[in-house]
Amino acid sequence: QKEVEQNSGPLSVPEGAIASLNCTYSDRVSQSFFWYRQYSGKSPELIMSIYSNGDKEDGRFTAQLNKASQYVSLLIRDSQPSDSATYLCAVGNTPLVFGKGTRLSVIA
Amino acid sequence: DTGVSQDPRHKITKRGQNVTFRCDPISEHNRLYWYRQTLGQGPEFLTYFQNEAQLEKSRLLSDRFSAERPKGSFSTLEIQRTEQGDSAMYLCASSSPGQGLDEKLFFGSGTQLSVL
Repeated sequence: QKEVEQNSGPLSVPEGAIASLNCTYSDRVSQSFFWYRQYSGKSPELIMSIYSNGDKEDGRFTAQLNKASQYVSLLIRDSQPSDSATYLCAVGNTPLVFGKGTRLSVIA
Repeated sequence: DTGVSQDPRHKITKRGQNVTFRCDPISEHNRLYWYRQTLGQGPEFLTYFQNEAQLEKSRLLSDRFSAERPKGSFSTLEIQRTEQGDSAMYLCASSSPGQGLDEKLFFGSGTQLSVL
């Protein structure tokens, strides 16, 4: 069974700090990797996608992928209280498999 | 682009009743997915369609669940003889995979089902 593992948290960081979120996956042939943000009571919202090894930056967000280690991460620079949410890692081809999410709390 | 629309937003039902949910995907998207999410868990795949064809159904999905997408546009998810364990948020997502790997899912607001 394809699995995606995330630390459930909560991960607490002070405002302005870097938040680091991690995800490991079991299916070696996975080709697509996504990070979704989910506010409490809302549906998941896509924030980053990455398909090849290395880093991909988009504003304050950087996604990192290491296929050899089956590891994907998300860095959030200059964290803001509005970043407080659950971050879901999604992996696969079709259909995507989601992790349980990491709850991030940014303390003002 | 009006986004993915789901109806109803909330449904309360008694155990043993049947319920049906509707999803309208983004108009140009040919793939439509149903996921289920419970508190503290990530979305769990149920089934997906490409146009009107149901291409995959989760092995975890009970035969009380059935989904249709008759004309390749909107989709319905029916749960027969509901059980308390069916209580969850039912999420619909759509995508339009282009060439390669870029299958980004866009989710609707979900239908929150409570089975009493």
